[in-house]
Amino acid sequence: DGGITQSPKYLFRKEGQNVTLSCEQNLNHDAMYWYRQDPGQGLRLIYYSQIVNDFQKGDIAEGYSVSREKKESFPLTVTSAQKNPTAFYLCASSFPRRNSPLHFGNGTRLTVT
Amino acid sequence: AQKITQTQPGMFVQEKEAVTLDCTYDTSDPSYGLFWYKQPSSGEMIFLIYQGSYDQQNATEGRYSLNFQKARKSANLVISASQLGDSAMYFCAMRDEKGYNQGGKLIFGQGTELSVKP
Repeated sequence: DGGITQSPKYLFRKEGQNVTLSCEQNLNHDAMYWYRQDPGQGLRLIYYSQIVNDFQKGDIAEGYSVSREKKESFPLTVTSAQKNPTAFYLCASSFPRRNSPLHFGNGTRLTVT
Repeated sequence: AQKITQTQPGMFVQEKEAVTLDCTYDTSDPSYGLFWYKQPSSGEMIFLIYQGSYDQQNATEGRYSLNFQKARKSANLVISASQLGDSAMYFCAMRDEKGYNQGGKLIFGQGTELSVKP
């Protein structure tokens, strides 16, 4: 079955450490996205990528970095520069069509103490 | 500016009754699409239904339908015959021309938490 896999489901880190969240898709989608969700809030876009080796900042990119070396993979690194990294992180992908929905992974819940 | 507003933080509905979840949007682009997602407590985002700005009819998908009022910039989700499994967060999202040109991103509202009572 095609889908998006995020790992791990839960992640705990100490303040000051970088951490990388994995996202892999086998839907053959060109575009991939990272969103952040905080309690009681909607989703906010961190980074997106339309093609391999290219990515763009979203609305809240500060303190995050990404890479897109393969079409299937779009890992997100939460750096120590991110002031409030504890959140739920969702990865998504889609075809480049106006009516294409985003398909989401199951998310990674990151807790930094 | 692009914006999605969901004014109902929480809603209750009796099992088997219908419920309407409100969504208003703001965009200056004539071409846009509206999406609704369901997020159960497990966290995954499930796509429910899509409405394009040029679609002549309101979208329907099984028990889900959209009450799309373009002039009022509203796209309310109607769930008929509510089931206990419908208890979840529901998000309205939009992709306009600006979003399409920015990798096809969606912008999301803050969500409505729906609780279905037996």
